[in-house]
Amino acid sequence: GESVGLHLPTLSVQEGDNSIINCAYSNSASDYFIWYKQESGKGPQFIIDIRSNMDKRQGQRVTVLLNKTVKHLSLQIAATQPGDSAVYFCAENTGGFKTIFGAGTRLFVKA
Amino acid sequence: GAVVSQHPSRVICKSGTSVKIECRSLDFQATTMFWYRQFPKQSLMLMATSNEGSKATYEQGVEKDKFLINHASLTLSTLTVTSAHPEDSSFYICSPRGQEANYGYTFGSGTRLTVV
Repeated sequence: GESVGLHLPTLSVQEGDNSIINCAYSNSASDYFIWYKQESGKGPQFIIDIRSNMDKRQGQRVTVLLNKTVKHLSLQIAATQPGDSAVYFCAENTGGFKTIFGAGTRLFVKA
Repeated sequence: GAVVSQHPSRVICKSGTSVKIECRSLDFQATTMFWYRQFPKQSLMLMATSNEGSKATYEQGVEKDKFLINHASLTLSTLTVTSAHPEDSSFYICSPRGQEANYGYTFGSGTRLTVV
């Protein structure tokens, strides 16, 4: 079936540096995108979302960029902290129905 | 808002037995419930979607007779893994959605099922 894929399965960054996690999606009809953080043994935790009529959205220390031309999403984390270590998933949603997850990127933050 | 309670968090069962997982939406009415399964080091895969009072719709490759979903109320849905086998060992996660919850979909804390 459809899937949302990621370019980098693992990412290691130094504490204090900025992190960029990338994601490619396949369904051009998707109109809502979400980034989730998942810690070991827990359910996904919402980080930030963006609708298809936007190309950038900022939250606290996080920014999501959407490039519909190439069907690409990215999550930028500023001043990465050890507590940011987790697996990050992008997810796409079409018409408010089911949410499809990407493969995930594990972020390691080195102290 | 959008508080979700999923139980149990961990369960170990013998092969051939059945296990029931509960998912409750505590502060909103879940008109739709999504159930996901996650194997180690993999992504979440949607298993089925259920609407309150209706039969669940299963994704391709998911056996409806093995994974029984009940969504009889707007605050509770259950997933029963029947005749569990070791290959059913996985992390099961629910995601309830209400009519008002159009953004930032919420997930349960997950249930780690181990079949021995």
